[in-house]
Amino acid sequence: KAGVTQTPRYLIKTRGQQVTLSCSPISGHRSVSWYQQTPGQGLQFLFEYFSETQRNKGNFPGRFSGRQFSNSRSEMNVSTLELGDSALYLCASSLVSGAEGYTFGSGTRLTVV
Amino acid sequence: GESVGLHLPTLSVQEGDNSIINCAYSNSASDYFIWYKQESGKGPQFIIDIRSNMDKRQGQRVTVLLNKTVKHLSLQIAATQPGDSAVYFCAECANDYKLSFGAGTTVTVRA
Repeated sequence: KAGVTQTPRYLIKTRGQQVTLSCSPISGHRSVSWYQQTPGQGLQFLFEYFSETQRNKGNFPGRFSGRQFSNSRSEMNVSTLELGDSALYLCASSLVSGAEGYTFGSGTRLTVV
Repeated sequence: GESVGLHLPTLSVQEGDNSIINCAYSNSASDYFIWYKQESGKGPQFIIDIRSNMDKRQGQRVTVLLNKTVKHLSLQIAATQPGDSAVYFCAECANDYKLSFGAGTTVTVRA
């Protein structure tokens, strides 16, 4: 079966712009979580969605937001991009809400210039 | 006191030898732990997990040990192969929603 699909794979944006990343979970998975990975901070939790509701949120500024659609696909948005937002953004899906059974996608590599 | 392994950012191991990767976790309330492998250009891949009511769990060529007394987790890989070269992360979970990841250990397998 298809895994977690993240699009686009690579993205280059300019400071001040906004960006939207997409994640399609494994078929049947209803929970989608987002993580940011940087060399300095490692992997950090952004937020988790289950049945279109944000269940938990990490310690990121309000410029980072997300949503989940009725088909469980999720998007995350970053507004007013800063250089420090350059990172690999990873999406993980699981059958039910929670970290057990997470499957990660390959991520979207965002570069802010 | 009990001796536990230190976390090392890098580990070089001879092909065929056993590897031990150590991790110290921070939250005594964590009750679920996972080891992930991440290869270049890919997302983390699940290796093995363990609940806090266990102290050892075995998979195919891998064993995870959990020492709750000193908040230590280790991953043992038997007969390390070139395909095991990757970055390995431990992760802990206290509320079932989010994972807190360790810094990662880069494993290089020497032929």
